[in-house]
Amino acid sequence: EVQLVESGGGLVKPGGSLRLSCAASGFTFSSYSMNWVRQAPGKGLEWVSSISSSSSYIYYADSVKGRFTISRDNAKNSLYLQMNSLRAEDTAVYYCASSRQNSGYAPWGQGTLVTVSS
Amino acid sequence: SYELTQPPSVSVSPGQTARITCSGDALPKQYAYWYQQKPGQAPVLVIYKDSERPSGIPERFSGSSSGTTVTLTISGVQAEDEADYYCQSADSSGTYEEVFGGGTKLTVL
Repeated sequence: EVQLVESGGGLVKPGGSLRLSCAASGFTFSSYSMNWVRQAPGKGLEWVSSISSSSSYIYYADSVKGRFTISRDNAKNSLYLQMNSLRAEDTAVYYCASSRQNSGYAPWGQGTLVTVSS
Repeated sequence: SYELTQPPSVSVSPGQTARITCSGDALPKQYAYWYQQKPGQAPVLVIYKDSERPSGIPERFSGSSSGTTVTLTISGVQAEDEADYYCQSADSSGTYEEVFGGGTKLTVL
């Protein structure tokens, strides 16, 4: 069964840091690009970052550029998102999702909630 | 930054056809994707490459493209189709940017 499981969310103070993880199973992780998408409470989806299968290409949304770092470990079938200098507006459920060229994001993990509040 | 525009809400009766539009300047050059999200659940891909349907997605879901607008059509809407629907595409200006539309709440009356 293809599965993505996020972890690492929680409550953090403004200016703090958090590292999210996404564990993949049931497919050849190293052949897929990976993505982070977030959803603020009651709001729509927002693309955060993408990384190619071999980490050669990395992209960020302007809203997180310079504060967030995406990475992956293909040997561990894992995706990461290091989040620094967190702000209240970063509060959201963070989803990881796999993708291949022109195939869309599928599947998605169940999400992990990040709350930035003092 | 690039934007995709969707209507906030669409309402249809069971058995009717629902059409949800998504507009964006780069859509003639970039593929569009559609996701269904039910309350408390992760999004699910229902259409890719404008009009392709992933395995396991019912045939009543279809997609089309015309100029700067793409459309998700749900024929013979069922109560279980009530959900939020999001389009996704990319900017074509040279800067890599994935974008989601604001989402459309489909209500089955």
